[in-house]
Amino acid sequence: EAGVTQFPSHSVIEKGQTVTLRCDPISGHDNLYWYRRVMGKEIKFLLHFVKESKQDESGMPNNRFLAERTGGTYSTLKVQPAELEDSGVYFCASSRDGYEQYFGPGTRLTVT
Amino acid sequence: AQKITQTQPGMFVQEKEAVTLDCTYDTSDQSYGLFWYKQPSSGEMIFLIYQGSYDEQNATEGRYSLNFQKARKSANLVISASQLGDSAMYFCAMREISMNTGFQKLVFGTGTRLLVSP
Repeated sequence: EAGVTQFPSHSVIEKGQTVTLRCDPISGHDNLYWYRRVMGKEIKFLLHFVKESKQDESGMPNNRFLAERTGGTYSTLKVQPAELEDSGVYFCASSRDGYEQYFGPGTRLTVT
Repeated sequence: AQKITQTQPGMFVQEKEAVTLDCTYDTSDQSYGLFWYKQPSSGEMIFLIYQGSYDEQNATEGRYSLNFQKARKSANLVISASQLGDSAMYFCAMREISMNTGFQKLVFGTGTRLLVSP
């Protein structure tokens, strides 16, 4: 069984540009989560999908962040326009039952 | 809201020795779950061990054990017989259940970087 995959592994963009991160969950996992770790700080929850529906987006920093999960399969997280403080590692996790979460390798975003 | 505190930014241990990584938590919930994840340099988050608040015995998984002290609100990770491959970031996390949706999310600490030397 393939694990959670994320693309790209690393992205370097300039302030003001747009970046789209992608997450492919484990097949059959209805629950999909996005988390973010800013350098030196804790990993923070961003949002949670069940299939294509957003169940909880209380962790989204602001309206520059847009997450989608069309069709309930893969998810994208778009940052537009990117700011310096958006730099960090973005993790995606998936879960079949909403309990044990399996994490992807993360996307390291650097905004210069 | 739940909070996880990891007070050790870095820890050093010699190969084959045991090491304890500290984790304290704060919650008003009676039922909760605690997790430890390992993040090697390759970046992925690897689930190590889970402890439920009502579990009477400390969780163990191979060389990993969780020293759960409920009254102290601590859930320290003990790694026995350290190996070079144990060098990584280690994150303690707690399951937080949304009052609105009933779904869970994880609340993490800041992590501890463990370095195992030969």
